[in-house]
Amino acid sequence: DAKTTQPPSMDCAEGRAANLPCNHSTISGNEYVYWYRQIHSQGPQYIIHGLKNNETNEMASLIITEDRKSSTLILPHATLRDTAVYYCIVSRGNSGNTPLVFGKGTRLSVIA
Amino acid sequence: IAGITQAPTSQILAAGRRMTLRCTQDMRHNAMYWYRQDLGLGLRLIHYSNTAGTTGKGEVPDGYSVSRANTDDFPLTLASAVPSQTSVYFCASSDSAGGTYNEQFFGPGTRLTVL
Repeated sequence: DAKTTQPPSMDCAEGRAANLPCNHSTISGNEYVYWYRQIHSQGPQYIIHGLKNNETNEMASLIITEDRKSSTLILPHATLRDTAVYYCIVSRGNSGNTPLVFGKGTRLSVIA
Repeated sequence: IAGITQAPTSQILAAGRRMTLRCTQDMRHNAMYWYRQDLGLGLRLIHYSNTAGTTGKGEVPDGYSVSRANTDDFPLTLASAVPSQTSVYFCASSDSAGGTYNEQFFGPGTRLTVL
């Protein structure tokens, strides 16, 4: 079973920040938080990952709470092309022995 | 262009037939994976391979087999297809040598319909 809880769907206005929450209250100390997204019919795409510090890359920012029991993925200026299902995953993150477990994710709809 | 290719793109198959889905990556990643995705559900891991010559079972391995004769190829075989195996199949790879980074790169998927 997935170790994360995400809202099933969210809407966001184009150009605004999209904040996608994720609860992972049973996360272990050696588990990372990963975010992937899946645009309609395509294979999932890696976005970002983190352990306990906040992370930022060209796609998004990841904010992890100090107790690591929840996190938020931030798309700073959402566009229509960001409409997708976003998956929050916790994993030790090394090889098939610790595979990624995809839940149902959050369906983000960016609205013009 | 580096990446993962899958073949065929889609296939309609009669129940009871044998089918092999092909997956090839050119990134020299040591780990490879097969997932299935059913309508309204997330991806579920079928089988994985940490390195050439080794394979392991994922969450839903029954009815499927895999082999990993070399680094680049990871075929998935349905020995006798059943309608419940109708799904979209994604192959992925990752470089798990050293560190704990686990970005997986996914192929475009194979849409399989078993009648």
